[in-house]
Amino acid sequence: EVQLVESGGGLVQPGRSLRLSCAASGFTFDDYAMHWVRQAPGKGLEWVSGISWNSGRIGYVDSVKGRFIISRDNAKNSLYLQMNSLRAEDTALYYCAKGGYNWNDAFFGWGQGSLVTVSS
Amino acid sequence: EIVLTQSPGTLSLSPGERATLSCRASQSVTSSYLAWYQQKPGQAPRLLIYGASSRATGIPDRFSGSGSGTDFTLTISRLEPEDFAVYYCQQYGTSLTFGGGTKVEIK
Repeated sequence: EVQLVESGGGLVQPGRSLRLSCAASGFTFDDYAMHWVRQAPGKGLEWVSGISWNSGRIGYVDSVKGRFIISRDNAKNSLYLQMNSLRAEDTALYYCAKGGYNWNDAFFGWGQGSLVTVSS
Repeated sequence: EIVLTQSPGTLSLSPGERATLSCRASQSVTSSYLAWYQQKPGQAPRLLIYGASSRATGIPDRFSGSGSGTDFTLTISRLEPEDFAVYYCQQYGTSLTFGGGTKVEIK
């Protein structure tokens, strides 16, 4: 069974940094692309960033380019999101999601999310 | 960026009725790379349909997806009480984007 457990969220001031982690189990982590998706309070889903199985392909939504960095450690079955220069509009529940073998694939598993609140 | 527009915003139906949800793309979706997700309050989204029409593992056959190009549909043939939720479409052919969601509520 796919298990994804996010951690690292919390309350942070505008302009500061935060690093999210996602611990994966129940599948062969280094076979799959992985993604971060966020959901602002009461709003819809927004894809934030994704990384291919070997980190060879990485993508970001325009609003976080230059501020967020996605990475993975296949030896530790872990996905990360380094969030810098945080803004109030980054406040959201951040989900870790399991992609497919290919970059162009749906999200077959989701974690329960880690809440990030950006406020002074 | 491909923009996905879902309609209606809210669908009010009774258990046992048929639900038809629409997802329209601003440009053609590559290779029908279109998925549907269900999200209940306080829960993470769950994949229902991928490749426009393939059901994900464990999804009941009352859920079906259809469409191609720019117009896609999710149909729930007979609504069960547990189906009342918010549904999102997603395209993953050109970058990745989600629609704004359709809420299916009990009438």
